[in-house]
Amino acid sequence: AQKVTQAQTEISVVEKEDVTLDCVYETRDTTYYLFWYKQPPSGELVFLIRRNSFDEQNEISGRYSWNFQKSTSSFNFTITASQVVDSAVYFCALSEEGVAGNMLTFGGGTRLMVKP
Amino acid sequence: NAGVTQTPKFRVLKTGQSMTLLCAQDMNHEYMYWYRQDPGMGLRLIHYSVGEGTTAKGEVPDGYNVSRLKKQNFLLGLESAAPSQTSVYFCASSYQQGSQPQHFGDGTRLSIL
Repeated sequence: AQKVTQAQTEISVVEKEDVTLDCVYETRDTTYYLFWYKQPPSGELVFLIRRNSFDEQNEISGRYSWNFQKSTSSFNFTITASQVVDSAVYFCALSEEGVAGNMLTFGGGTRLMVKP
Repeated sequence: NAGVTQTPKFRVLKTGQSMTLLCAQDMNHEYMYWYRQDPGMGLRLIHYSVGEGTTAKGEVPDGYNVSRLKKQNFLLGLESAAPSQTSVYFCASSYQQGSQPQHFGDGTRLSIL
């Protein structure tokens, strides 16, 4: 069973629109960590945010915000007033405390295209 | 600050050839990982290491071998390359605590003809 699901494979928006990227996860661990990574067209993976399972506070960083809801096993990512530079593939990932090596399980990614 | 460095960045191989991908990190991280990225499938873990001299299998280990003789280096080997191993390979490293993010190299694009 897939542990991290990003149902939106591709999203296209016009600059300045708000966009939300969905992430649904599955785990039996009570302690786990959720991450978002950005992969711009240049190919590298950039760490954006980490959340642990005991902290359901939403977080805002500039135009980025994250909504973590344990009740629905979701960790969604919203970009406000999108810009062309936000065009990238975004990955949600899960690390479970009970799994040796702190391995990350990635979702399939969402490709975001922001058009001018 | 080099972070995680992967060598080479690009490579083309013929079926049956062998090669080694090198990953080096300068952050004194205990844990290191090799992933492959294929279209539409995100990243999948090939092998990982929780410390110098240790290695373990990940989700897709077949056809690959790894070694971690020094803490800062993690090598990924393909003994007999197959077209199915055409992919982008990423190395990552992290501190021991599961709460810490993994830091990734820039990737190696490998094509097997």
